[in-house]
Parts: sequence; structure tokens; C-alpha cells
Amino acid sequence: DIQMTQSPSSLSASVGDRVTITCRASQSISSYLNWYQQKPGKAPKLLIYAASTLQSGVPSRFSGSGSGTDFTLTISSLQPEDFATYYCQQSYSTPRSFGQGTKLEIK
Amino acid sequence: EVQLVESGGGLIQPGGSLRLSCAASGFTVSSNYMSWVRQAPGKGLEWVSIIYSGGSTYYADSVKGRFTISRDNSKNTLYLQMNSLRAEDTAVYYCARDSSGWYEDYWGQGTLVTVSS
Repeated sequence: DIQMTQSPSSLSASVGDRVTITCRASQSISSYLNWYQQKPGKAPKLLIYAASTLQSGVPSRFSGSGSGTDFTLTISSLQPEDFATYYCQQSYSTPRSFGQGTKLEIK
Repeated sequence: EVQLVESGGGLIQPGGSLRLSCAASGFTVSSNYMSWVRQAPGKGLEWVSIIYSGGSTYYADSVKGRFTISRDNSKNTLYLQMNSLRAEDTAVYYCARDSSGWYEDYWGQGTLVTVSS
């Protein structure tokens, strides 16, 4: 089974900051990597799929990169609505797996 | 408009059974991959199961042999039959449409399952 490890687990930042979250797979997953945002009490929302493709309607301040085992999610200029928990997910093979999450908090 | 509505959650004793439903609208369940993902209280997301458009099914090791994913094409509804429930199965269960086997693009609002005596 493929293990996904995110870092950091939590992050404090200010509005306007540039933020990067890292996700590492235990084996190569090509570009089968997705990023989701989740706010308290809500379902996850797809942000980026196939490592770097922005889902329709997602602001361009979100971007993703990487392939193989190492991936990053970058938010170029944090907005108040971006404070949430972010998860990576591999869809290379079953069982699918998520990272443990990165909670982004206001500094 | 794509919509997914889960139902069937509730309080159940350990060892009991429960069937979750996910009614879909705006697309055809049988033509898509469909997933179940759960989230224990205060914890992260855990992938549970997937059914492919061709009917193949896959499960997380933690639920294999106890949970069964299925669909009713006439009702355009996805199901998760959960047997031999344990306290650690307590979670909000989400159904999601899986786009071409790549990613979950639409999610339901979730239904809470609590396993407790």
C-alpha cells in the first residue's frame, strides 16, 4: 500500500503570505496526486488534480507541482477564506490514500 | 447540476449492521467511478471503497470483508453495506463521484455513523 506523508502538520501564516505544503509518496505515483481543501463541518473540495491541474472555479493563487514521489501545493497570497485543512491524495493505485492533513491557521 | 445526498447514518451498537445510501442527480452513477471516504471525529480523511463503472470493487484493508459497496442503476443510488461494525468505524461517511479514476470531483454532505453501546 502507498503511504502519503504531508508536511507540515500545521502552519500559521498571515493574509498575503506565500505558503507551501509538501506531500511525499512512499513510492512513485507518477502524477496521480490530488489536493483537497476542507473547512470545518464541510465536505472536502477538490483544488488540484493530476498534480498540477487547477480544478474549474479554483482561484489561480493555488498551484501544484511535482511528480514521482514529491509534490507541493502553493498558495501565492493567502486570503482569509484559505484558512482550512489541506489533504493530498494518491489515485495511482488502490487502496487509495490521503495524507494526514495540514491545518492552515491564521497567525 | 451534480448533487449527492447521503442518508442512513445513525447510532448503532458494536457488531451491528447499517446501510448507507447516496442518491445522485445530474449524472449517471453507473457510468462513473464512485467512492466512499470517511472521517472520524477530529481526524483526517480515510478512503474506504470504490466501485468502477464496470462493476469492480475495492476496499481499504480496515473494512475488507465487512463492508460492501454497490449501486442500484434504476435508482441512480450508491450504497455502502456495513456489517460487524466496530467503535473505530465511527465517522462521517462521504460519498463522492470519481472522475475517470483520477480524483473525486463532487462530494455529498456526509452522514454520521456512531458505533457505541
